[in-house]
Amino acid sequence: KAGVTQTPRYLIKTRGQQVTLSCSPISGHRSVSWYQQTPGQGLQFLFEYFSETQRNKGNFPGRFSGRQFSNSRSEMNVSTLELGDSALYLCASSQQGSLSTGELFFGEGSRLTVL
Amino acid sequence: AQSVTQLDSQVPVFEEAPVELRCNYSSSVSVYLFWYVQYPNQGLQLLLKYLSGSTLVKGINGFEAEFNKSQTSFHLRKPSVHISDTAEYFCAVSENSGGSNYKLTFGKGTLLTVNP
Repeated sequence: KAGVTQTPRYLIKTRGQQVTLSCSPISGHRSVSWYQQTPGQGLQFLFEYFSETQRNKGNFPGRFSGRQFSNSRSEMNVSTLELGDSALYLCASSQQGSLSTGELFFGEGSRLTVL
Repeated sequence: AQSVTQLDSQVPVFEEAPVELRCNYSSSVSVYLFWYVQYPNQGLQLLLKYLSGSTLVKGINGFEAEFNKSQTSFHLRKPSVHISDTAEYFCAVSENSGGSNYKLTFGKGTLLTVNP
């Protein structure tokens, strides 16, 4: 069974640009969550999607958005990039559609560098 | 609102020594507790979880953790570590955020370095 796949793995952007990251969950998993990981802040929750609906949202500005498609694949978009957006963006999928008892399966992440 | 504190940002130990990675949380409601591990250049992997029942939970790779409700702690332990245990470890807490929705909050991580 294939794991969670994130693309691209590495990318470099400049301030003001926008970026789209993609996540393909494990087959059969309907929940996809996104996290931002930085050395200073650790792992911070961005949002969770379940059956194409955003169910939870973290405390990030509106420049951060996401969506989920009918095949459960998810994308997140960051517009008007700032230097502070440089981070590892992790996607996680879950079979039970819940962040409570379900085990999260993480991808290897997309490392974004903003210059 | 829930918060998770991992008391040590770095823990260096020698191979075959015991280790304890500390985690404390704050929450006004019942929570579920998790430990995840992140090896270099990889995503996170679940080590173990506490949902209910026995307060001592065993996970993969010989790790175990004990839930202490009165001290709001969930410390991770291993009696004898290997070089391959070198990784970053994250404690996480899941709390009900309304209805059937839950929010997962991670600690800032503890870097465990096992030296020969």
